[in-house]
Amino acid sequence: ETVMTQSPTSMSTSIGERVTLNCKASQSVGINVDWYQQTPGQSPKLLIYGASNRHTGVPDRFTGSGFGRDFTLTISNMEAEDLAVYYCLQYGSIPFTFGSGTKLEIK
Amino acid sequence: QVQLKESGPGLVQPSQTLSLTCTVSGLSLTSNSVSWIRQPPGKGLEWMGVIWSNGGTDYNSAIKSRLSISRDTSKSQVFLKMNSLQTEDTAMYFCARNRRGMMPWGQGTLVTVSS
Repeated sequence: ETVMTQSPTSMSTSIGERVTLNCKASQSVGINVDWYQQTPGQSPKLLIYGASNRHTGVPDRFTGSGFGRDFTLTISNMEAEDLAVYYCLQYGSIPFTFGSGTKLEIK
Repeated sequence: QVQLKESGPGLVQPSQTLSLTCTVSGLSLTSNSVSWIRQPPGKGLEWMGVIWSNGGTDYNSAIKSRLSISRDTSKSQVFLKMNSLQTEDTAMYFCARNRRGMMPWGQGTLVTVSS
């Protein structure tokens, strides 16, 4: 099974800041990585698929990058509505596996 | 508009079998795949399995021996059955369409395993 290790586990940030979230796969998964955002009490929402493709309607302040084992989600200009838990998911091999999440909080 | 909605019993006794239904609208199950994902209270997401558009299935190896996913394309429904439930199976259960990412997700259905 491919283990997805997310870092940091949590992060305190300020409105307007640039935020970088990381996800490292235990083996190569190509570009088969998505990023999801989950706010309290809500279902997860897709942000990025295929490592770098922004889902329809996702603001362009969200950018995904990476290939192989190392992946990054960048929020270029943090907004209050971006406070959430972010998960990466690999679907390069069965079973699909999620990272344990990164929680963004206000400093 | 594509929508998915989970339904199920809410409360299941230990050692019993869980049966959940994901009812989809706005899409055909013969050209879309659907995954089941669960989330224990306060914890992260766990992918459980998928039924592909061709009807084939893949499962998380950790629960594969207890899990079955099937569908009724005429009713636009996907089913999850998991046996030998334990308290650690208490979770919110989601279904989601797999197509260039998992989206949309259903609202989820909370399953509590308790006597």
